[in-house]
Amino acid sequence: DGGITQSPKYLFRKEGQNVTLSCEQNLNHDAMYWYRQDPGQGLRLIYYSQIVNDFQKGDIAEGYSVSREKKESFPLTVTSAQKNPTAFYLCASSIGPGSYEQYFGPGTRLTVT
Amino acid sequence: KNEVEQSPQNLTAQEGEFITINCSYSVGISALHWLQQHPGGGIFSLFMPSSGKKKHGRLIATINIQEKHSSLHITASHPRDSAVYICAFLNAGGTSYGKLTFGQGTILTVHP
Repeated sequence: DGGITQSPKYLFRKEGQNVTLSCEQNLNHDAMYWYRQDPGQGLRLIYYSQIVNDFQKGDIAEGYSVSREKKESFPLTVTSAQKNPTAFYLCASSIGPGSYEQYFGPGTRLTVT
Repeated sequence: KNEVEQSPQNLTAQEGEFITINCSYSVGISALHWLQQHPGGGIFSLFMPSSGKKKHGRLIATINIQEKHSSLHITASHPRDSAVYICAFLNAGGTSYGKLTFGQGTILTVHP
């Protein structure tokens, strides 16, 4: 089955620790995205990657970092510099240039205490 | 002012009722998405209406490009329709392809 996987579904960390959220897709999509969702707010774009070895900051990139070494993988690191890291994180992908239909993963709920 | 406004924010209905969720946007768009988010968090694409009306089962999406407005209708609503419904759009002329702007979502609860 083709799709996007995110693991784990729930993640707990202590304040001051970096944490990496995984996102893998087997859809052969070129573009991948990371979003953050907070209660009562729309999804906000953290980072996106249009192609392997390339990525751009989204609207709220501060305190986050990404890498895109493989087409199928786009891990997100939440660093200790992120002031309010507790949120629901969603990864998505799309075919590539000219395609705006995005396919979403199941999400990871990160709680930092 | 937000570029996209959804209404209502919360909607409660009885099973069988006709549901309407509205989405208004203030910029030119090249594409609009209706998405459904299940209680567990997963998000699924429902519609990408380009113009007029599009129907899929009990769901109907309409879009009026001139009025910058889209609606999602659910006929004969059922408790399994309970979810968050999100509209999202792609800015016209944007340089970042696939970069969507999302509404805050409408929480729909359908009671038996």
